Amino acid sequence: EAQVTQNPRYLITVTGKKLTVTCSQNMNHEYMSWYRQDPGLGLRQIYYSMNVEVTDKGDVPEGYKVSRKEKRNFPLILESPSPNQTSLYFCASGGADRIYGYTFGSGTRLTVV
Amino acid sequence: GQQLNQSPQSMFIQEGEDVSMNCTSSSIFNTWLWYKQDPGEGPVLLIALYKAGELTSNGRLTAQFGITRKDSFLNISASIPSDVGIYFCAGPPRGSQGNLIFGKGTKLSVKP
Repeated sequence: EAQVTQNPRYLITVTGKKLTVTCSQNMNHEYMSWYRQDPGLGLRQIYYSMNVEVTDKGDVPEGYKVSRKEKRNFPLILESPSPNQTSLYFCASGGADRIYGYTFGSGTRLTVV
Repeated sequence: GQQLNQSPQSMFIQEGEDVSMNCTSSSIFNTWLWYKQDPGEGPVLLIALYKAGELTSNGRLTAQFGITRKDSFLNISASIPSDVGIYFCAGPPRGSQGNLIFGKGTKLSVKP
């Protein structure tokens, strides 16, 4: 089944403790992206990657890092999480012709206390 | 940066009613996409539009690509409780290298 898999689905952590949210897709998509969703603010892009070893900042990159060492994986790294990073996070992937839309993962709900 | 403005922000309707929502931009788009997000899940693509004036249906859903290429509309006929969720419009603005931007969504609530 074609899908984008995120892990974990839920995570509660403490301020300052480094964490990684994994994202993997099995569709051989070139394009991958991370979004955060907060009430009233819609989907805001954090980082995206056009292909392996190619990443770029989205609208809200501060406090986040990403890497794209393999085509299928695009982990999101929070080096020192803070409470304002409490949010619902989505990973998405798309083919070379992204006008056909993205496929989204099921989301990771992160709480930083 | 470029933005997509969706309206209304939220809707509360009775089961069986028709629904209309729209998405506008200050710049031209060559593609419009409509997504639905069920509670607790990721957005899922409903309809894609590629040509100005195009009208495309997916079951009870119909979407239109505005002739000015700066807007799009989504209609849901005879709503049912499972239509509940957030509806997002999205598109790749010019010069974006294909990156998609999303509207803030229209939250739909359906009363049985």
